[in-house]
Amino acid sequence: AQTIHQWPVAEIKAVGSPLSLGCTIKGKSSPNLYWYWQATGGTLQQLFYSITVGQVESVVQLNLSASRPKDDQFILSTEKLLLSHSGFYLCAWSLSRGTSAETLYFGSGTRLTVL
Amino acid sequence: AQSVTQPDARVTVSEGASLQLRCKYSYSATPYLFWYVQYPRQGLQLLLKYYSGDPVVQGVNSFEAEFSKSNSSFHLQKASVHWSDSAVYFCALSPHSNTNKVVFGTGTRLQVLP
Repeated sequence: AQTIHQWPVAEIKAVGSPLSLGCTIKGKSSPNLYWYWQATGGTLQQLFYSITVGQVESVVQLNLSASRPKDDQFILSTEKLLLSHSGFYLCAWSLSRGTSAETLYFGSGTRLTVL
Repeated sequence: AQSVTQPDARVTVSEGASLQLRCKYSYSATPYLFWYVQYPRQGLQLLLKYYSGDPVVQGVNSFEAEFSKSNSSFHLQKASVHWSDSAVYFCALSPHSNTNKVVFGTGTRLQVLP
C-alpha cells in the first residue's frame, strides 16, 4: 500500500528565516507530486507539481521554491519567510498517466505559523 | 481560465436529514470533477469523481453527485447524514488538457447536529 509522509507536522518560524518542508511517498514509483497551500479556513491553492525527478512546474509565485531530488521525495523551501506564508501546506501524489481524472492522495499536512 | 464556485460557506443540518452541497464550475469544455472531504487537521480524501458517462456518480459513505452540463454544476448529495459527516467539503476541477492542474473551490463547512 502507498503511504505519504509529510514533515514536520508543525512549525513556528520568524519572518525572514528559512524554511524547508518535506514529503515522501512510499510504495509507488514515479508518481506525480504536488504542493498545495491552504490559508486558515480557506481553499487550496496549488503551488507546484512535478511529473519526474528533477523537474518541477510552478503554478503560482509566492516566493517559494520546490525540488524533487528523488523519485519519492518532494521538498518545499524558501530562504526568507513572509507573514503571508502562514497556513497549512499539503503534499499530494497521483498516478502519472495524466490522461484521466486521477485522484489526488494527500498527506496530513504541515501547519506553518510565521511570526 | 477554469474556476469552481461553492456558494455556501457553511451548511448546518440535523442528523438524518438529506443534504445537498452546491458546486458550480466554469470551463469551456467538460472537465474532470471531484468532491473531496477534509476532516479537522487532516489532508483531503476523495469522495467521488466524474469524468464521463452517467451523470450521477456514486461515492464513498453513500455520497453521490450529479453532473449537469447545462447548469455547469456538480452538486453533492446524501440522503441521510450522520454526525460523523461533519467536515469541510471541497469541489474541484481538472481540465482535460492538463490533469496536473487541479482547481479547488473555497469549500463548504458542514455541521451535522445530533
